[in-house]
Amino acid sequence: AQSVTQLGSHVSVSEGALVLLRCNYSSSVPPYLFWYVQYPNQGLQLLLKYTTGATLVKGINGFEAEFKKSETSFHLTKPSAHMSDAAEYFCAVVSSSGGSYIPTFGRGTSLIVHP
Amino acid sequence: ETGVTQSPTHLIKTRGQQVTLRCSSQSGHNTVSWYQQALGQGPQFIFQYYREEENGRGNFPPRFSGLQFPNYSSELNVNALELDDSALYLCASSLNTGSHYGYTFGSGTRLTVV
Repeated sequence: AQSVTQLGSHVSVSEGALVLLRCNYSSSVPPYLFWYVQYPNQGLQLLLKYTTGATLVKGINGFEAEFKKSETSFHLTKPSAHMSDAAEYFCAVVSSSGGSYIPTFGRGTSLIVHP
Repeated sequence: ETGVTQSPTHLIKTRGQQVTLRCSSQSGHNTVSWYQQALGQGPQFIFQYYREEENGRGNFPPRFSGLQFPNYSSELNVNALELDDSALYLCASSLNTGSHYGYTFGSGTRLTVV
């Protein structure tokens, strides 16, 4: 079984401040990990993913995330928040189940950016 | 390349009715997954289709069913609608079932059951 926990349903930062969105996962097998962003009334857009290899992953819009196996974490960061980053962010873990790759999403974190 | 398109964008149905939602996958993608996203929640996996066969199913009752066509487009059918079925239904396509490719999502169909 796999699960995802996103700490904090809402995160509020000032424009230009560091963004840190937390994601912890549980998985019985090596996981694939994803971050998606969702703007109002839209579908999900892939920000970045970890499959294998380098544990620090860079994505679009200046976001990056680091896979830490010992901490079972995949936190999302951005050095300087922009107003356009305000959106809902979802962490997802995918692992194999009988040949199928079933994704599990966290409940999401709403990022609020203040001027 | 075209993205994932879903139709209709909004739909209102009465409890007990049946509904069909449609999805056209991104060009070159042969796998389609469907998700239910209730208000304030993350997407919940309904099922996945790979080359016209169901290839994985989440914890949803049999009244949720689907199809994938030879052109890899897909339908989600829900029978005997319940009020709790009100949600945003998302379709996502990918290249093969391997999750390391990531998924391309459509903008969703907002279903309201009254």
